[in-house]
Amino acid sequence: RKEVEQDPGPFNVPEGATVAFNCTYSNSASQSFFWYRQDCRKEPKLLMSVYSSGNEDGRFTAQLNRASQYISLLIRDSKLSDSATYLCVVNKDTNAGKSTFGDGTTLTVKP
Amino acid sequence: GAVVSQHPSRVICKSGTSVKIECRSLDFQATTMFWYRQFPKQSLMLMATSNEGSKATYEQGVEKDKFLINHASLTLSTLTVTSAHPEDSSFYICSARDYHGETQYFGPGTRLLVL
Repeated sequence: RKEVEQDPGPFNVPEGATVAFNCTYSNSASQSFFWYRQDCRKEPKLLMSVYSSGNEDGRFTAQLNRASQYISLLIRDSKLSDSATYLCVVNKDTNAGKSTFGDGTTLTVKP
Repeated sequence: GAVVSQHPSRVICKSGTSVKIECRSLDFQATTMFWYRQFPKQSLMLMATSNEGSKATYEQGVEKDKFLINHASLTLSTLTVTSAHPEDSSFYICSARDYHGETQYFGPGTRLLVL
C-alpha cells in the first residue's frame, strides 16, 4: 500500500462545477499536509496547507480528518484555469523531514 | 513566496557525458534541499535529501555514485548526473525548505535529454 493515495482520476468537469478530491495517508504520525498543483511540464506549486480546523482560500477548501487519515480538496465554481494535476503531500516531521507525494489527480475543466 | 531557481532549464547531451544541475534558494537560506525526478505522466520521485555541510541521503534504488549531490552553502545545491545514458532522460526538480519552514518551494525544473 502506498503511503499517500489519491483518487486516480482523471476528472473531467464543465466550467462552474464543484469537484472534490480525496487523499488518504497511512502514517498516523504524519504532521503536516498540503495540496500542490502541477501544470503540464511545470514544477509543483503550493496551493494551500491543510489544517484540522479546515481552511478556505477563495473557491478552494481543504479539510483534514486525522482520525480517518484523510484529506480533501474542494473546488467550487471551476474555471478553465483550474485544469492541472493536484498533488496531495504529507510530511512526517514538521521541519526538515522529507515529504511524501501522492500520484496526483488530473482535473480538466471544459467550457 | 520563496523563490528557488534551477539552472539550466533544459539540457541535451550525448550519452556518456556528465551534466550538472544547480539549485539555488534566492531569498532564504535552505538547510535542506530535495532532488526529485519525474518521468512523463508519473509522479514525483524523491531521489535524495541534500543537507548543507553534510552528505546527502539517497533514497533506495538511487545510485549515489551516479547522482552526485553537493550542498556546499545554504543557498546552493548541485546534482551531477555522471555518465548520463538515455534512460536518465527525465525532468529533474529541486525543492528547498528552510529550518523553520514546513513548506517546500520548488525550482522550475531541468529537462534532461540524453541522446
